[in-house]
Amino acid sequence: SAVISQKPSRDICQRGTSLTIQCQVDSQVTMMFWYRQQPGQSLTLIATANQGSEATYESGFVIDKFPISRPNLTFSTLTVSNMSPEDSSIYLCSVFSGRMGGELFFGEGSRLTVL
Amino acid sequence: GEDVEQSLFLSVREGDSSVINCTYTDSSSTYLYWYKQEPGAGLQLLTYIFSNMDMKQDQRLTVLLNKKDKHLSLRIADTQTGDSAIYFCASNTGKLIFGQGTTLQVKP
Repeated sequence: SAVISQKPSRDICQRGTSLTIQCQVDSQVTMMFWYRQQPGQSLTLIATANQGSEATYESGFVIDKFPISRPNLTFSTLTVSNMSPEDSSIYLCSVFSGRMGGELFFGEGSRLTVL
Repeated sequence: GEDVEQSLFLSVREGDSSVINCTYTDSSSTYLYWYKQEPGAGLQLLTYIFSNMDMKQDQRLTVLLNKKDKHLSLRIADTQTGDSAIYFCASNTGKLIFGQGTTLQVKP
C-alpha cells in the first residue's frame, strides 16, 4: 500500500492569503488526486494531477484559485489562493493503489481554517 | 455528471445488523467502494466490489450490488460501538466520486 504524507496537517490562515499544501508519496504514481472535504460534507474532487502535463480540474474549480504542481512522480502541491472562510476544509491528496480493485489511498489530510 | 447518493443517518443497537444503502448514476462504473471515516481521522477503505459481481463478503461485511438498479449496499453484521463512523460509498469511472456519507450511530 502507498504511504502518503501531507504537510501541513493543519493550519489557521488569514483571509486573502494563500497556502500551499504538499503531498509526498513513497512510490511513483502516474495520477494524483486532490479532494476537498468541507465541514460535515463528503469529498469533492478538485483536480487530477498528472506528471508532465497540466492538472485537469473538475467543474467549479479553476486553476487560478487552486494551482497545482506535479514536478515528479512522487510529489504534488496544491495552493489555495486568496483564501476566504468558505475555503475552510480538509484537503486530501490521494493516489490509486495500483491493485486490481483500483481503490484510492488517502493522505491524512490538511485541515485549513480561514479566519 | 456522475452522482452518488446515500441516506444521511442510520441508528442501530449494538449486536444488530446495519444496512447502508447507496445509489449511483453512471453505468460505466468499474468498481464501487465503501470507505469508513471515524471522527477526526482519514478515510479507511473497508471493501470494494467489481461491477460484474453481485455480492462480496468479508468477515462481518457483506456488499450487495444490483447493477440493473445501480444500487449498492453495505451490511455490517453484529454491529459494534466501534463501528460508529461515517460511511462513504464511491464509484470509479476513472476517478472516484463519493456519496455524501452515512453517519452510523450504534447504541449500546
